[in-house]
Amino acid sequence: NAGVTQTPKFQVLKTGQSMTLQCAQDMNHEYMSWYRQDPGMGLRLIHYSVGAGITDQGEVPNGYNVSRSTTEDFPLRLLSAAPSQTSVYFCASSRSSGVGGNEQFFGPGTRLTVL
Amino acid sequence: AQSVTQLGSHVSVSEGALVLLRCNYSSSVPPYLFWYVQYPNQGLQLLLKYTTGATLVKGINGFEAEFKKSETSFHLTKPSAHMSDAAEYFCAVSERSGYALNFGKGTSLLVTP
Repeated sequence: NAGVTQTPKFQVLKTGQSMTLQCAQDMNHEYMSWYRQDPGMGLRLIHYSVGAGITDQGEVPNGYNVSRSTTEDFPLRLLSAAPSQTSVYFCASSRSSGVGGNEQFFGPGTRLTVL
Repeated sequence: AQSVTQLGSHVSVSEGALVLLRCNYSSSVPPYLFWYVQYPNQGLQLLLKYTTGATLVKGINGFEAEFKKSETSFHLTKPSAHMSDAAEYFCAVSERSGYALNFGKGTSLLVTP
């Protein structure tokens, strides 16, 4: 299993440009989430999904869109990039059921710089 | 809503000394609690998790954590620090199994020779 994969690893954008961060998992997990990590802030939840066709906002959703058309994929779209969106982005997935608390499995991250 | 507070953004210990990283949580329901570690320029790796049952949880790399409901704490310990333990450590909480996490701001552990 590849686990959770993210592309690209690095990206530089100009203010106002749009782009999509890709996330895929091959573990048949129902839950998927996007976080951003900024120095001294920990990880903050952007959007999450509990299954195909179902998404909801997290703590910091402004400026980002998501959709979940398949169980495997959960892309994150930046509509009009701003310097405040310079960050490291992590995608994660987890099972929804089963014995015990189910931890989230994280991808390697995408480092985004907006100039 | 649940939240996590990690006391101390930076902790420095000598090699061989006890490691203690503090985490306090707030939750309106019995929580699921996690400790993750992040090495430089890498993703997050699960160290250990508390769900239900035994309050002392053992994880990887010699780390363990004790769930204390009366103190709403889930502190991470390791008896003897190694240089390779230098990393960022995150405590996280969830109110539903597998659900998205609320993270603390992280504690950077420095291990000195």
